[in-house]
Amino acid sequence: DQQVKQNSPSLSVQEGRISILNCDYTNSMFDYFLWYKKYPAEGPTFLISISSIKDKNEDGRFTVFLNKSAKHLSLHIVPSQPGDSAVYFCAASDLNAGNNRKLIWGLGTSLAVNP
Amino acid sequence: DGGITQSPKYLFRKEGQNVTLSCEQNLNHDAMYWYRQDPGQGLRLIYYSQIVNDFQKGDIAEGYSVSREKKESFPLTVTSAQKNPTAFYLCASSSVDEQYFGPGTRLTVT
Repeated sequence: DQQVKQNSPSLSVQEGRISILNCDYTNSMFDYFLWYKKYPAEGPTFLISISSIKDKNEDGRFTVFLNKSAKHLSLHIVPSQPGDSAVYFCAASDLNAGNNRKLIWGLGTSLAVNP
Repeated sequence: DGGITQSPKYLFRKEGQNVTLSCEQNLNHDAMYWYRQDPGQGLRLIYYSQIVNDFQKGDIAEGYSVSREKKESFPLTVTSAQKNPTAFYLCASSSVDEQYFGPGTRLTVT
């Protein structure tokens, strides 16, 4: 059963516009959320994270929003650039899991930014 | 410079042979992880280790084995019992929750 869901397998946007990638989770014990970016045949790279005590975190063109009541988070990229074309993974963690702490991953959304 | 090394980038083996994938990190991270990615799928956790000499099975551990004798190293052995070993294998390490990934090894078994 998928605890972290990225319901859109793909997204296409025009260069300069906003990209919005969505992620839903089911486990209310998750309290830390991360976004990763992955190019083909490479390892994912960490992009941005948010703790459950916040509802927004911003880093340059990237902003993550968290709605705890809806168990939903989103990644906004503004403005989108062709180099942003990649697969984006949402991941969640239960900080109270102790030695069993690990990331739970969504299946990813493939973003294509068209020039 | 600091990072995670996986070697080789591409690996070819005959069916029935065991193969060991290397993962080394110099980030001084306690935790290390092995994932597998198949086309069109996300990252699936094979094994993870939070500390030296200890490791836990992930979601798809059958047909794989690991060791964690040193903090810096977490090799993964793909055994002949793994029914579909051809995949892209990713190693990661972390100090808290942000995991840092190596470049991956593409294993092809024929």
